[in-house]
Amino acid sequence: ETGVTQSPTHLIKTRGQQVTLRCSSQSGHNTVSWYQQALGQGPQFIFQYYREEENGRGNFPPRFSGLQFPNYSSELNVNALELDDSALYLCASSLVAGRQETQYFGPGTRLLVL
Amino acid sequence: AQSVTQPDIHITVSEGASLELRCNYSYGATPYLFWYVQSPGQGLQLLLKYFSGDTLVQGIKGFEAEFKRSQSSFNLRKPSVHWSDAAEYFCAVGPITGGGNKLTFGTGTQLKVEL
Repeated sequence: ETGVTQSPTHLIKTRGQQVTLRCSSQSGHNTVSWYQQALGQGPQFIFQYYREEENGRGNFPPRFSGLQFPNYSSELNVNALELDDSALYLCASSLVAGRQETQYFGPGTRLLVL
Repeated sequence: AQSVTQPDIHITVSEGASLELRCNYSYGATPYLFWYVQSPGQGLQLLLKYFSGDTLVQGIKGFEAEFKRSQSSFNLRKPSVHWSDAAEYFCAVGPITGGGNKLTFGTGTQLKVEL
């Protein structure tokens, strides 16, 4: 049990719609990262937020955006959904202290775009 | 750019047999290395991690991994596999930077355990 929760667990959307996924980090963790895991693949880094500011982005278009709040919750927003956005979306929270960081993952939200 | 290779897509072992899952990484300096396990429909659980120091690291559930700089490898081992170990295993590498650690994952190895 990592103490990281995500909602909803499953979601079905149609192409062109917008979606918001939510994550609740472990208390005290100041960093949240989001990953996309397509079927049969390893997770791909989308972006990371550190103290409510974006702290790096992977190779994802601007229609993927995020927010981090002071209460250890965060959101991943995806606009103009495409069929290829169907995947398991994982958030991971971590406490950055010096140069070491360990990421703890939530159970994920499975998104299906029709 | 950093990358991770897990050469074995599927591995099948008998319960009680030993296990070794291979992981090779590409990175310009000494990386942080991790092994995660994912059961069907679940998130990722951290098995173990290497930051520095002793190159043989112990993890949960009886797993261990050895960092070999000369081979750019971080193989995962378990002396005796249990049926409950059947899952997908991911090796990941992260850069040594302050204020953030973006993980790069391999494509995973699916472990099947025969009773």
